[in-house]
Amino acid sequence: GQQVMQIPQYQHVQEGEDFTTYCNSSTTLSNIQWYKQRPGGHPVFLIQLVKSGEVKKQKRLTFQFGEAKKNSSLHITATQTTDVGTYFCAGREGYSTLTFGKGTMLLVSP
Amino acid sequence: EAQVTQNPRYLITVTGKKLTVTCSQNMNHEYMSWYRQDPGLGLRQIYYSMNVEVTDKGDVPEGYKVSRKEKRNFPLILESPSPNQTSLYFCASSLWTVSSYNEQFFGPGTRLTVL
Repeated sequence: GQQVMQIPQYQHVQEGEDFTTYCNSSTTLSNIQWYKQRPGGHPVFLIQLVKSGEVKKQKRLTFQFGEAKKNSSLHITATQTTDVGTYFCAGREGYSTLTFGKGTMLLVSP
Repeated sequence: EAQVTQNPRYLITVTGKKLTVTCSQNMNHEYMSWYRQDPGLGLRQIYYSMNVEVTDKGDVPEGYKVSRKEKRNFPLILESPSPNQTSLYFCASSLWTVSSYNEQFFGPGTRLTVL
């Protein structure tokens, strides 16, 4: 079945440093979504990417979808303590339901 | 306010005692889903439903049942809970069409402990 792998599992950065999490699929995806889960909270939708090579930005967050639609990345520039949480990617193959990666936990020290 | 609600939020029970976790959404979404979240394993889908009376197994359906008699409700039933079902459970909903997929709205979660 479809597998979505996410790395790293965990990253600890100093405030102001950049952060990137990567998502790789074993199959070609029709779209990919990113979610953020704050400690003790529930996942919250960040963005959806659909087109090959698509790049979207939300303030300090940059999302990319690979040309082959098998990988994606989330990059945060100049992290802040409010960025703390676990970031999940979720991919969809064809008309199937979403498959979530295991997430990357980000810790930001002031 | 558009939201997904789950009840109860916390539950401690014993092995074999049937329980139901309710999920309700007020956004008229077609798609609803249940996930369990365990440390290091991310979000794993238990069951999902594309619309009323349409349900299907996710990745980890063993030991769970669901029903979708109304569009807004999608209860999760554990007929005979076991300790390995101790987990954090999330219900989610979204609009759904065959050709597109929309953001999922998650409920606040239900933390279940089975002794």
